[in-house]
Amino acid sequence: EAQVTQNPRYLITVTGKKLTVTCSQNMNHEYMSWYRQDPGLGLRQIYYSMNVEVTDKGDVPEGYKVSRKEKRNFPLILESPSPNQTSLYFCASRTPGTEQFFGPGTRLTVL
Amino acid sequence: GENVEQHPSTLSVQEGDSAVIKCTYSDSASNYFPWYKQELGKGPQLIIDIRSNVGEKKDQRIAVTLNKTAKHFSLHITETQPEDSAVYFCAASRGRNTGNQFYFGTGTSLTVIP
Repeated sequence: EAQVTQNPRYLITVTGKKLTVTCSQNMNHEYMSWYRQDPGLGLRQIYYSMNVEVTDKGDVPEGYKVSRKEKRNFPLILESPSPNQTSLYFCASRTPGTEQFFGPGTRLTVL
Repeated sequence: GENVEQHPSTLSVQEGDSAVIKCTYSDSASNYFPWYKQELGKGPQLIIDIRSNVGEKKDQRIAVTLNKTAKHFSLHITETQPEDSAVYFCAASRGRNTGNQFYFGTGTSLTVIP
């Protein structure tokens, strides 16, 4: 089944403890993105990648890192999480010219 | 950068009535406008999209219209059904084929009352 998977789906952590949210797609898509969704703010793009080893900042990149060492994986790294990074995170992927497919989301709480 | 505004934030309609959601954008270089439906606990899913060289597109009960001059686009759902209840997001991008930056509206929570 064609899909975007994220892990974990739920995470509660404490300020300053490094964490990684994994994202994987099995559709051989070149493009991948990370978004955060907050009430009243919609979805905001954090980082995106157009191919392996090619990443770029979106609208809200502060406090986040990404890497794209393989085509299928695009992990999101929070090196020192803070409470204002409590949010619902979505990974998405697509091939140029096609629709964007979203993962099921990761709900992160930073205490 | 681009700024996408979406209205209304909440919308309630009777089953069978029509629903209209409107978005405006600021960047005249934007040329691809997708609409997403997000059901509770799930990720957004594309329901319809339109490119700037087209004024209207329809898919069964769903249609999207685009006014490039006024920089606004709208989602129209006719003969609404309870399963249409969800949060809807509009978005704008500079290209379906080029680049990967997307700017989303703040969402509309649609409730269809049986």
